[in-house]
Amino acid sequence: DAKTTQPTSMDCAEGRAANLPCNHSTISGNEYVYWYRQIHSQGPQYIIHGLKNNETNEMASLIITEDRKSSTLILPHATLRDTAVYYCIVRDNFGNEKLTFGTGTRLTIIP
Amino acid sequence: DAGITQSPRHKVTETGTPVTLRCHQTENHRYMYWYRQDPGHGLRLIHYSYGVKDTDKGEVSDGYSVSRSKTEDFLLTLESATSSQTSVYFCAISLDRGYNEQFFGPGTRLTVL
Repeated sequence: DAKTTQPTSMDCAEGRAANLPCNHSTISGNEYVYWYRQIHSQGPQYIIHGLKNNETNEMASLIITEDRKSSTLILPHATLRDTAVYYCIVRDNFGNEKLTFGTGTRLTIIP
Repeated sequence: DAGITQSPRHKVTETGTPVTLRCHQTENHRYMYWYRQDPGHGLRLIHYSYGVKDTDKGEVSDGYSVSRSKTEDFLLTLESATSSQTSVYFCAISLDRGYNEQFFGPGTRLTVL
């Protein structure tokens, strides 16, 4: 599975859009980009995933660059409940079963 | 929330004792996973199951065994607990092989003294 690079931490004002970047320059053609988050002491929570097109759901939007070497998770109107560690993961849907969680980005929403 | 429960939620035990953690799901999902989470290591896969009686090792399986006798239950056993197995253990489920939306349980905090 491709390796990802994320900033260690970020702050965002409440009510503003939170933009979380992820670099995955070694991603291969059949690998998807997944985002999970983990709120303190809870189990990780699936947010969104995509292959090459931008994706949106009720939680977030995922923007993947045309060369697929990086992506951005967007939380459009951040709330205090969005304070969490956000993990960007790339993997295919046919190989081994594990999700490889790196250290993620600790997002703090500021009131 | 996905119907996943873990028991116990907290446990303190002594080195050398056997420990069994239980994961129970009500979603009828085929795949079940056990992860451990430690500071500086993120989540690491211990074992996973792709059906009743079908299990396989993850990246940190030494010292752990698993069993799945029915779809809804996945048990993780530490045959002889060691202090290095002090961790938070998460169970996860996914619908099938091609579905990587894994849904996680609330976790079990295990302390081995």
